[in-house]
Amino acid sequence: AQKVTQAQTEISVVEKEDVTLDCVYETRDTTYYLFWYKQPPSGELVFLIRRNSFDEQNEISGRYSWNFQKSTSSFNFTITASQVVDSAVYFCALSEETGRRALTFGSGTRLQVQP
Amino acid sequence: NAGVTQTPKFQVLKTGQSMTLQCAQDMNHEYMSWYRQDPGMGLRLIHYSVGAGITDQGEVPNGYNVSRSTTEDFPLRLLSAAPSQTSVYFCASSYSSHRGGEQYFGPGTRLTVT
Repeated sequence: AQKVTQAQTEISVVEKEDVTLDCVYETRDTTYYLFWYKQPPSGELVFLIRRNSFDEQNEISGRYSWNFQKSTSSFNFTITASQVVDSAVYFCALSEETGRRALTFGSGTRLQVQP
Repeated sequence: NAGVTQTPKFQVLKTGQSMTLQCAQDMNHEYMSWYRQDPGMGLRLIHYSVGAGITDQGEVPNGYNVSRSTTEDFPLRLLSAAPSQTSVYFCASSYSSHRGGEQYFGPGTRLTVT
């Protein structure tokens, strides 16, 4: 069965610091998809990125970057020069090619960026 | 496009009452699902549907019913509310043809059962 672990429950940083959110996953499928979602204090879920299991290229989008390593089953998320607006709960999720097509979520990491 | 809409936004129920959480999408997505979010546990799948007339159970289906009579709507019914069903409920939809496709989430319904 698939599983996503986000070991960091809460992280607090000061503005402009870099911060990395860890995500470790388990799956038996060879084809799968990894996601990151942001949940700001307003409560909605905001899609950030999707990565399939055959694409191990790291991705950068502005201050955000993602490091996908199949060898360690990790899909870590780094925010560079954090801002107060980055304060949110961040979820890593996994979807397998077989089965329900649903997302399996980690328990989330709450990021607090202090001014 | 309104995307995925959910009503109501907030609801308070007494133990034993029943109610229906509404979910609708206007993107012609075949796949729809319901999740619940509890503190420290992320989101967990309750029920899902791969098309009109087809539903199946997720990880935590007990106490909930669903039906899918149209592509657009996927209501979630609480048969006899219990305090353990106090949670935030999210509906999501996606294209069925792409398993790795982005799931679009509604704004959520915050339910309290007293």
